[in-house]
Amino acid sequence: EAQVTQNPRYLITVTGKKLTVTCSQNMNHEYMSWYRQDPGLGLRQIYYSMNVEVTDKGDVPEGYKVSRKEKRNFPLILESPSPNQTSLYFCASSLSQGAPYEQYFGPGTRLTVT
Amino acid sequence: AQTVTQSQPEMSVQEAETVTLSCTYDTSESDYYLFWYKQPPSRQMILVIRQEAYKQQNATENRFSVNFQKAAKSFSLKISDSQLGDAAMYFCAFAGYGGSQGNLIFGKGTKLSVKP
Repeated sequence: EAQVTQNPRYLITVTGKKLTVTCSQNMNHEYMSWYRQDPGLGLRQIYYSMNVEVTDKGDVPEGYKVSRKEKRNFPLILESPSPNQTSLYFCASSLSQGAPYEQYFGPGTRLTVT
Repeated sequence: AQTVTQSQPEMSVQEAETVTLSCTYDTSESDYYLFWYKQPPSRQMILVIRQEAYKQQNATENRFSVNFQKAAKSFSLKISDSQLGDAAMYFCAFAGYGGSQGNLIFGKGTKLSVKP
């Protein structure tokens, strides 16, 4: 089954404790990205990757890091989480061949930073 | 920079009736894609319908159709014969061909309630 998986689905942590949210896709997609969803703001892109070892900032990158060492994986790293990073996070992937193709979303990760 | 505006934070429809959700966008690009995503209480993002800007014909997917007015930069979603399972948040999204061609620009969403 074609899918995007994220782990963990729920996470409660404390300020300053480093964490990683994993994302994996099995569709051989070149393009992957991370979004955060906050009430009243819709979804906003954090980082994206056009392919292995190619990453770039989205609209709200502060406080986040990413890496793309393998095509299928795109982890999101919070080096020192703060309460304003409490949010719902989505990973997404798509083909990337010259057109904005449909993005497939993971199930979401609910993060709470206290 | 592109922006997407959904002016209706909440909408309500009677089961079996028709409802239209509004979306406007701003861009200087001539080629782009527009999408409607549905987010039910499960939080999963589900693609409802997609429209390529170069196509004049409005997209349809079963009970879902769009009214795409390129000159007016308007992209509304019509849901016919509404069902209880249609209750969800609906997001309008824009994607261009530019440098970050996969970056979806989302509106803030419209919460749709369906009354039995």
